[in-house]
Amino acid sequence: NAGVTQTPKFRVLKTGQSMTLLCAQDMNHEYMYWYRQDPGMGLRLIHYSVGEGTTAKGEVPDGYNVSRLKKQNFLLGLESAAPSQTSVYFCASSQRPTGNYGYTFGSGTRLTVV
Amino acid sequence: ILNVEQSPQSLHVQEGDSTNFTCSFPSSNFYALHWYRWETAKSPEALFVMTLNGDEKKKGRISATLNTKEGYSYLYIKGSQPEDSATYLCAFPLDTGRRALTFGSGTRLQVQP
Repeated sequence: NAGVTQTPKFRVLKTGQSMTLLCAQDMNHEYMYWYRQDPGMGLRLIHYSVGEGTTAKGEVPDGYNVSRLKKQNFLLGLESAAPSQTSVYFCASSQRPTGNYGYTFGSGTRLTVV
Repeated sequence: ILNVEQSPQSLHVQEGDSTNFTCSFPSSNFYALHWYRWETAKSPEALFVMTLNGDEKKKGRISATLNTKEGYSYLYIKGSQPEDSATYLCAFPLDTGRRALTFGSGTRLQVQP
């Protein structure tokens, strides 16, 4: 079982460039999430989705867009990358609302914006 | 408490020592409390999901307790081993719809052989 797969694993962007991070899960989970991890800040929620075709903003959504056209995929887009978006990005999925089911995380994408 | 807070920020212990850390969360409208283990260069893995006041969960040498009335959870590691070295995160669904977890900043544990 692959679980949650993130691509790419590493990327270097120039300021102003755009890119899309892909998250794919094979567990038929309804809920998917994008978090960013910065030193001393812990994991902060960017956007999340409670089902195919739905998305919602998290704590730090500015500068990012997301789409969930298929249940198994959750895409995170950066339209015009900024150095402040240098971070490690984690995708996660969950079977049901977060009460009784833990997250399954992807392995992360390390993004550097120069 | 309006957020998820963890203490201490970091901990260095010797192999064989027992240790514990704390997670504090809002005590009103409790829903669930999660613990995750995060090893360097890997992704976080779920340890426990706790939902009932007085809950105690155990996995090998690691256990956790929950007090929802006062808003805290303890994670205990008995007889720490070098392979226990990791960051331990707690998380709580802070948003009103309980659809997403808010994570604490973690306790980084280093176990010296």
